[in-house]
Amino acid sequence: EAGVVQSPRYKIIEKKQPVAFWCNPISGHNTLYWYLQNLGQGPELLIRYENEEAVDDSQLPKDRFSAERLKGVDSTLKIQPAELGDSAVYLCASSGTSKYEQFFGPGTRLTVL
Amino acid sequence: KQEVTQIPAALSVPEGENLVLNCSFTDSAIYNLQWFRQDPGKGLTSLLLIQSSQREQTSGRLNASLDKSSGRSTLYIAASQPGDSATYLCALLDSNYQLIWGAGTKLIIKP
Repeated sequence: EAGVVQSPRYKIIEKKQPVAFWCNPISGHNTLYWYLQNLGQGPELLIRYENEEAVDDSQLPKDRFSAERLKGVDSTLKIQPAELGDSAVYLCASSGTSKYEQFFGPGTRLTVL
Repeated sequence: KQEVTQIPAALSVPEGENLVLNCSFTDSAIYNLQWFRQDPGKGLTSLLLIQSSQREQTSGRLNASLDKSSGRSTLYIAASQPGDSATYLCALLDSNYQLIWGAGTKLIIKP
């Protein structure tokens, strides 16, 4: 069974530029999560999807961050414009019907110069 | 509000030693607790998941325990090896199905 796929693995951009991250969850997993992880800290939830509906986006900075999961499968997280403080690892996870365990992708390491 | 604390933030031990990593939490209303490993610049690898009704889980040289009444979990690593060097994070699934994370313990095993 294929795991959670994320791309790109690494991204370096200059501040004020846009950037997008892509995630494909485990097949059949209806719940998809985007997390942000700063160095030396645990991940922080940005948004949670149930199928195509964003059911928890309270921690998503909506002035510059947006996300979509149009067909309830893969998802894209976008930042526009990026700021220096956005440098972090962006993790995607998915869970099945039970929601008792989340499975994580390898993450995208973003560096904003 | 649930809070998860991992102490120490960093730990360095000689190869071959047994060691214990600690995780404490403030609210016992959890579904499960999970230990993850994270190598520098990499994603998260799940090591052990303990259901709220369980007391411990074992995988190879790793043993994780859970004591909800005291709000504590420990990860025991036997016969440590340099390859065990990584950051270890604990996370618990709360009653809202949200993962609440500790900040991690950075472990260095010296050859």
